[in-house]
This record gives sequence, C-alpha cells and structure tokens, in this order.
Amino acid sequence: SQQGEEDPQALSIQEGENATMNCSYKTSINNLQWYRQNSGRGLVHLILIRSNEREKHSGRLRVTLDTSKKSSSLLITASRAADTASYFCAPDTGRRALTFGSGTRLQVQP
Amino acid sequence: EAGVAQSPRYKIIEKRQSVAFWCNPISGHATLYWYQQILGQGPKLLIQFQNNGVVDDSQLPKDRFSAERLKGVDSTLKIQPAKLEDSAVYLCASSNVKGRNYEQYFGPGTRLTVT
Repeated sequence: SQQGEEDPQALSIQEGENATMNCSYKTSINNLQWYRQNSGRGLVHLILIRSNEREKHSGRLRVTLDTSKKSSSLLITASRAADTASYFCAPDTGRRALTFGSGTRLQVQP
Repeated sequence: EAGVAQSPRYKIIEKRQSVAFWCNPISGHATLYWYQQILGQGPKLLIQFQNNGVVDDSQLPKDRFSAERLKGVDSTLKIQPAKLEDSAVYLCASSNVKGRNYEQYFGPGTRLTVT
C-alpha cells in the first residue's frame, strides 16, 4: 500500500499544549506531505518534506522524517482551538497520485 | 489567486438517479484530481487528469462513474445510477506541477446524500 497510516486516530489536548501525530508508510518515497482538514476551510496543504530532509519547520509546525524507519511526525506547538481538525499524511512514491490514510482527529480544548 | 471551485455544494438524490459534479481548477494547473471521501475516512482518489488526458482511473467504478476534462480546464464527474454507498463528499483538487505530486489545492467539495 502506498498510503500513510496516521497515529493516534484521535487526540484531545488543552489549548497551549503541544500536539504530536505520527505517520508510517511502507514503500520508499520522494517526499511526504501533511494536510489538514476542518469544516471551515476544507483540505489544506500544510507542509512537504523531501526524502533527503530530516526536519522542516513552518510557523508552529515541525515535521520530521526518518526514511530508515519509514515514519514521519508532525508537531504542532502551542496549540490553539483553531487547530482542531483532522490531519493526514500523504507519502509520495512518485508512481501514483497521493493516497491518504484515515487521519488523526485533533481536538484542542479552549 | 482564486481557489478550486466546485458545484453544487450539496446534493440529495434517490438511489438509481444520476448526478453530476463540476470542478473549475486553479488557472494554469495542468493536473486535476477527483477524490471520494466517505465519512470518517481519508480522501480516496477516483481519477487523475493531466491536461485533458487520464493519468490514473484505476479506482474509478467505471460501471457507474465517469469523468471528463474537456479542453484541459473544467471537469465533470458523473454517477449513473447512484447507489446508497455513493453517499460521500466529492473533492476536486488541482496541482500545477506536471507529472509530480507536489502540493494539491482542494475545493470545498460536494456533499452527496443518496437516499
């Protein structure tokens, strides 16, 4: 399978706390992308990390990639209620279009 | 820059009826995707176009689903006849990088309910 599997399936934290979600995949990749989906803005691209990168930052987001373990993590620091959403990882193998797992549902309590 | 436009936003039909969805991608984006997202699941690719040619339709139920992208811009996705299990959100996305999976821009989706 080329899709990523997100873990945990659901996560509930308090505003201001950090949220970490993980992604595992099975095949070699060119890059891995993270997307967010909430009811207000639909599905939005967050960040892309290439296979030769180990860590990438974008604002309050930090993504790591370990190709030897075929895993990635997304860290959201100082979470806000507006971060409440489902988060999906999408490994890109270069052979087919992106495939999405079932996502991590993050609930940030105000 | 205008985003990906989709219409209608909501549609309710009875099983065995037909329905069509429309998508207008971001101007200049050569690649267009249709996804089906069932409640509680991630988006599942139905079909990918590169300009007006089909790149991947391996997961499109061709006995009832069809899609076209005339002139390499707008696209329509049709279901005929619809089944109860087709109830889902249908997402259209576009990308401006030919042949590579860089970031995709998604439309708001069409929520289909089949009764």
